[in-house]
Amino acid sequence: QSVLTQPPSASGTPGQRVTISCSGSSSNIGSNFVYWYQQFPGTAPKLLIYRDDEWPSGVSDRFSGSRSGTSASLAISGLRSEDEADYYCAAWDDSLRSWVFGGGTKLTVL
Amino acid sequence: QVQLQQWGAGLLKPSETLSLTCAVHGGSISGYFWSWIRQSPGRGLEWIADINHDGSTDYNPSLKSRVDILVDTSNNQFSLKMRSVTAADTAVYYCARGKPILWSLWGQGTTVTVSS
Repeated sequence: QSVLTQPPSASGTPGQRVTISCSGSSSNIGSNFVYWYQQFPGTAPKLLIYRDDEWPSGVSDRFSGSRSGTSASLAISGLRSEDEADYYCAAWDDSLRSWVFGGGTKLTVL
Repeated sequence: QVQLQQWGAGLLKPSETLSLTCAVHGGSISGYFWSWIRQSPGRGLEWIADINHDGSTDYNPSLKSRVDILVDTSNNQFSLKMRSVTAADTAVYYCARGKPILWSLWGQGTTVTVSS
């Protein structure tokens, strides 16, 4: 059971906008930045969004992040087949004194 | 272009010590924290520990009693040791570049299997 809660799956058609949620509590998302990672099978995760809504160099602006209260969201606009991957959120938890993750969302492009 | 290369034993018996090393190529180990993270089907992604170039460390409380993270600045490397492993420690272990931008760079991963 992950500390941060994500839907196990999401889907969309090419060109569509898809949102993936990440729900936490006051000790993690409610008081700390959220980070998002993309992972393809057999490879390491890749940083997509840091500090809620900032892009690392080289990441498409089709990906965007937001945080409100104890929840955060990753939005993917102009969905493409190559976006089909697993997506994870992460944040620091003040109570656990640990970085914590969501269980991951498998995105399918129909 | 900075790259992380990791290595270590992939098959261990219960009660043995896991030992992994990660080398930082193309850049300095200074100025960042460096992390170990693992991933398994049952536990998902799990942060293990952080270290920076001057040896400041931070550990996942649930693993702290069994884990040591070390830095070797002369060789631009950092390492992980996990004692008394069990089957529950079977996972893919990743090294990654941490703060100030969390986990912006990852190693290739090492599959560690604990089995008698």
